[in-house]
Amino acid sequence: GAVVSQHPSWVICKSGTSVKIECRSLDFQATTMFWYRQFPKQSLMLMATSNEGSKATYEQGVEKDKFLINHASLTLSTLTVTSAHPEDSSFYICSARPWDMPNTGELFFGEGSRLTVL
Amino acid sequence: RKEVEQDPGPFNVPEGATVAFNCTYSNSASQSFFWYRQDCRKEPKLLMSVYSSGNEDGRFTAQLNRASQYISLLIRDSKLSDSATYLCVVLNSGYALNFGKGTSLLVTP
Repeated sequence: GAVVSQHPSWVICKSGTSVKIECRSLDFQATTMFWYRQFPKQSLMLMATSNEGSKATYEQGVEKDKFLINHASLTLSTLTVTSAHPEDSSFYICSARPWDMPNTGELFFGEGSRLTVL
Repeated sequence: RKEVEQDPGPFNVPEGATVAFNCTYSNSASQSFFWYRQDCRKEPKLLMSVYSSGNEDGRFTAQLNRASQYISLLIRDSKLSDSATYLCVVLNSGYALNFGKGTSLLVTP
């Protein structure tokens, strides 16, 4: 199956710092990538849809200036959590759908990045 | 009201038991439906799609009732390795997946 790599897997940072998470599709091109966040015992919540070469579409309640998304190529999207605070501590997961499978329900997920803000 | 609702469980069943999970969705325009499996601290992985006519994959059977906006997953002959969280997932327009909170299953020896 298609492979999505996410980095870093774990990150611990001080409050007020910024953290960048990378999401790469290794063996396919993805015009669209999705960023989800999952708090303990909660469902995956879609944060934003990242479109290659254009601005991301953010879900209601997600601050676009705090969660910066860049999708500069067909295989890479980045999420930067700016001025992170303890309430931003969560499991961030990216996912991608191959460009030639727009209607499939199978998203390929990265391994997730667990962010802890002290 | 959440778009996708599931009973969080946990469901504790002995090996070999049959267990069923249910899920309801609120958007009548939803297009496609899936069950994903998520192990602790791991990313979700597709278990199976859910078709209107119902479909089976080995020990797993999925069913969809569009009129009632209801999806189910049946697991027969439970194995220890089936222990995980099962996520009900709905695909609406816009190509983003909406996830339920998940139902936790623990299969015991």
